[in-house]
Amino acid sequence: EAQVTQNPRYLITVTGKKLTVTCSQNMNHEYMSWYRQDPGLGLRQIYYSMNVEVTDKGDVPEGYKVSRKEKRNFPLILESPSPNQTSLYFCASSITGTGATEAFFGQGTRLTVV
Amino acid sequence: GEDVEQSLFLSVREGDSSVINCTYTDSSSTYLYWYKQEPGAGLQLLTYIFSNMDMKQDQRLTVLLNKKDKHLSLRIADTQTGDSAIYFCAALFNDYKLSFGAGTTVTVRA
Repeated sequence: EAQVTQNPRYLITVTGKKLTVTCSQNMNHEYMSWYRQDPGLGLRQIYYSMNVEVTDKGDVPEGYKVSRKEKRNFPLILESPSPNQTSLYFCASSITGTGATEAFFGQGTRLTVV
Repeated sequence: GEDVEQSLFLSVREGDSSVINCTYTDSSSTYLYWYKQEPGAGLQLLTYIFSNMDMKQDQRLTVLLNKKDKHLSLRIADTQTGDSAIYFCAALFNDYKLSFGAGTTVTVRA
């Protein structure tokens, strides 16, 4: 089944404790991205990747890192999480980043930083 | 970043039509999308429209695009309880950047 898988689905952590949210897609998509969803703000892009070893900042990259060492995986790293990073995070992938290609979304990761 | 705006809430009676509106700022947007998010789930693409089209119909869904006013709407005919969800308008900028609106929560009442 074609899908985007994120783990974990829920995470509660403390300020400053490094964490990684994994994202994996099995559709051989080139383009992957991370979003955060906050009430009243919709989805805001954190980082995106056009292909392996090609990543770039989205609208809200501060406090986040990503890597794209292989095509299927695009982990999101929070080196020192802070409470303002409490949010619902979505990973998405598409064949390319351009045109009428459909973005497939993961189920989301609800992160709480205390 | 590029702005996409939509109203936050819509309440509609079952069987009526729903109309969700969206405006965007960048007239060079090539594709505009409607995504649906059900509770506890990710986003699913409902439909999209290319910027040189005025209208697209897909079963109960009708998308209207007024490029001059940079206004996009989604009409759902014969709204059902299963249509209760958050609907996101999104616009493609610079050929690769997808910008989302804040989402419209649609509540269908019996």
